Amino acid sequence: DTGVSQDPRHKITKRGQNVTFRCDPISEHNRLYWYRQTLGQGPEFLTYFQNEAQLEKSRLLSDRFSAERPKGSFSTLEIQRTEQGDSAMYLCASSLGVGGANNEQFFGPGTRLTVL
Amino acid sequence: GQNIDQPTEMTATEGAIVQINCTYQTSGFNGLFWYQQHAGEAPTFLSYNVLDGLEEKGRFSSFLSRSKGYSYLLLKELQMKDSASYLCAVRRDDYKLSFGAGTTVTVRA
Repeated sequence: DTGVSQDPRHKITKRGQNVTFRCDPISEHNRLYWYRQTLGQGPEFLTYFQNEAQLEKSRLLSDRFSAERPKGSFSTLEIQRTEQGDSAMYLCASSLGVGGANNEQFFGPGTRLTVL
Repeated sequence: GQNIDQPTEMTATEGAIVQINCTYQTSGFNGLFWYQQHAGEAPTFLSYNVLDGLEEKGRFSSFLSRSKGYSYLLLKELQMKDSASYLCAVRRDDYKLSFGAGTTVTVRA
């Protein structure tokens, strides 16, 4: 396992379409995070999972956004009825959670979404 | 909530030293991280401080003062490949990271 992977790396869609992104964390990590990053800004927290449980959702995550981690391994982030303002880089990160030394988060390469 | 402030841009010469400051206000502080992010790539972990003092890792060092809500990242012997954005991130008790906007460092020959 070489790290966190995300698919697709790039997604171009038309406004109003639904999109789904996938994240595969480092295998022994039980915490998984989703962030959104726009140009010139740092990543903004969206939501996170401890195993399969979604423990926190940001106010940024409108009802058009939903995230799942059904078996406590990979996670999906779905955006329904996309808007141009959803254009951003969507980053996934994972960490060991309790028991890790620093519990630093390891980031995937991101999915760049462009909504036309 | 938390406010995390860091300079927007810094420029330095190859071989020089650059210090990137970060100030923060937060409740439930549980560590401060520095990440490096090259354009179009994911952030990569550089350093972690939870106690006051200096942590050194090769050419990179990070300092923390919890009482002052202040950290800095020191980059020594700058190389062209160090041109990147450097993100200061604060972790709260709930293990959630809040990031600053990042400091873009440009290294010139």
